[in-house]
Amino acid sequence: KAGVTQTPRYLIKTRGQQVTLSCSPISGHRSVSWYQQTPGQGLQFLFEYFSETQRNKGNFPGRFSGRQFSNSRSEMNVSTLELGDSALYLCASSTDREKGYTFGSGTRLTVV
Amino acid sequence: AQTVTQSQPEMSVQEAETVTLSCTYDTSESDYYLFWYKQPPSRQMILVIRQEAYKQQNATENRFSVNFQKAAKSFSLKISDSQLGDAAMYFCAYRRNTGNQFYFGTGTSLTVIP
Repeated sequence: KAGVTQTPRYLIKTRGQQVTLSCSPISGHRSVSWYQQTPGQGLQFLFEYFSETQRNKGNFPGRFSGRQFSNSRSEMNVSTLELGDSALYLCASSTDREKGYTFGSGTRLTVV
Repeated sequence: AQTVTQSQPEMSVQEAETVTLSCTYDTSESDYYLFWYKQPPSRQMILVIRQEAYKQQNATENRFSVNFQKAAKSFSLKISDSQLGDAAMYFCAYRRNTGNQFYFGTGTSLTVIP
């Protein structure tokens, strides 16, 4: 079966712009989580959605937001991009908390 | 707060040999999960092995096994018969039983020498 699909794989944006990243979970998975990975801060939790509702949110500014659609696909948006937002953004999906999570290959965002 | 520490930024192992990656964590919870994830250059995080804290028996998956010491809050990964395809970044991770958020360590870069 298809894995977790993240699009696009690479993205270059200019400071001040906004960006939207997409994550299509494995079919039947209703939970989608987002993580930011940087060399300096490592992997940090952004937020988690379950059945279109945000269940948990990490310690990121309000410029980072997300949503989940009825088909469980999720998007995250970053507004007013800063150089420090350059990172690999990973998405993970799961049926429920017990079964573990499957990660996608991420979107590499570069802000110039 | 939950923290996960990996004290070995880099490790190397000869092909076919055994290597152990270290991980310690800090939590006040009694029920939680611990994981080892592998991240090759393809960037995808791949689950290597999972341990439930309530289970005393150490988890094993083929060539991968863990040494889980709950009292010491230690969770090391042993890779036996190392293969070239094992070369990757390895992350130790913690998750509360009732939670949905992973707390990751800083990773250990494993090189396998032919």
